[in-house]
Amino acid sequence: AQSVSQHNHHVILSEAASLELGCNYSYGGTVNLFWYVQYPGQHLQLLLKYFSGDPLVKGIKGFEAEFIKSKFSFNLRKPSVQWSDTAEYFCAANTGRRALTFGSGTRLQVQP
Amino acid sequence: SAVISQKPSRDICQRGTSLTIQCQVDSQVTMMFWYRQQPGQSLTLIATANQGSEATYESGFVIDKFPISRPNLTFSTLTVSNMSPEDSSIYLCSVEVGGGETQYFGPGTRLLVL
Repeated sequence: AQSVSQHNHHVILSEAASLELGCNYSYGGTVNLFWYVQYPGQHLQLLLKYFSGDPLVKGIKGFEAEFIKSKFSFNLRKPSVQWSDTAEYFCAANTGRRALTFGSGTRLQVQP
Repeated sequence: SAVISQKPSRDICQRGTSLTIQCQVDSQVTMMFWYRQQPGQSLTLIATANQGSEATYESGFVIDKFPISRPNLTFSTLTVSNMSPEDSSIYLCSVEVGGGETQYFGPGTRLLVL
């Protein structure tokens, strides 16, 4: 069965610390990968996406993610977090024009 | 991208009643999806709604409980029928835009069932 796993459920960082959130997927065939962010009280926003090509993708707000096919991973990174990055982060995947399968989410808390 | 609105934004309902949630998109889209986000949990797909065909439901969701309409390419409704407290969730619609595989989400409808 298709699945997406996020192993970090709650991460607490100080401002300026580096961030890496793990995401692993279990899919057969070609997979599209996404990171979404949900700021407190706001709706889901797309951070970045990977369909094909360069495995290192850059998104909004300084975030990037690396697709490592051999590890079935799509980890999200940011070199220096800010207090405004406090949010819940969801990794998601699909194949073709199909609905998304979401991971369980990671709650990031950045302390000033 | 697309601008997606949902009505109502939130509601408090009594057990046994039904609520219809509307999703409006500012452009024509073929594929629309309805998700549920239960408190403290991730998003779970309820159904896929394509214009001109019956909605396709995921395992654990049935049409009698969550009837969906898709009358045109910019609008859809999801009804939560005969509600119980376990239906308290955020309900979100999403659309696929531009012929690609990227989905954009509405702001959600926060439902509390007493």
